[in-house]
Amino acid sequence: QVQLVQSGAEVKKPGASVKVSCKASGYTFASYGISWVRQAPGQGLEWMGWISAYNGNTNYARNLQGRVTMTIDTSTSTAYMELRSLRSDDTAVYYCARDITSGCLRYWGQGTLVTVSS
Amino acid sequence: DIQMTQSPSTLSASVGDTVTITCRASQSISAWLAWYQQKPGKVPKLLIYKASTLDSGVPSRFSGSGSGTEFTLTISGLQPDDFATYYCQQYNGYLWTFGQGTKVESK
Repeated sequence: QVQLVQSGAEVKKPGASVKVSCKASGYTFASYGISWVRQAPGQGLEWMGWISAYNGNTNYARNLQGRVTMTIDTSTSTAYMELRSLRSDDTAVYYCARDITSGCLRYWGQGTLVTVSS
Repeated sequence: DIQMTQSPSTLSASVGDTVTITCRASQSISAWLAWYQQKPGKVPKLLIYKASTLDSGVPSRFSGSGSGTEFTLTISGLQPDDFATYYCQQYNGYLWTFGQGTKVESK
């Protein structure tokens, strides 16, 4: 069965960077894209971007361009999301998700809490 | 960017009620719309995609309709398990966005 297993919780200081991993299993990794979605405490879902696991092409949300980088490692079937210049309002649960057709996110990781605090 | 606006933000209903949530796009997205259900502390669950296609295993009391800029999610015969927050999401083009969510709570 499809599984996405994310790395553990992180605590970072403002201005630092964080890199969250998402290890996929149960399917052919290169056949589907991975999206990253975040959710601040008590808030809604925010789509951050998407990466093709086939060729590494990316699309990023405009408000995060310049601060976010998504990458893949096909040898380990792992996707990564790095967010730089962290601010307190980046405190959120970060999810990776795999689509079934482009944009439809059926499979989700368990989420990674990133706390940004001085 | 395409903005998605859901209404209402909160909906109070009873078991057995039929409830409808509306999602409006700031420009036409054809039928490239999905609906998700999220319960507190849980990951979102895909309910419907391409505006009206029920995902595998989703009860038939859920239905979606619409195209262009206006979409609806209907729950016919609300069940106790349906009290949750619902999000629409557009996936037209390369930049995707979620609506702000609609919380369905017990009246």
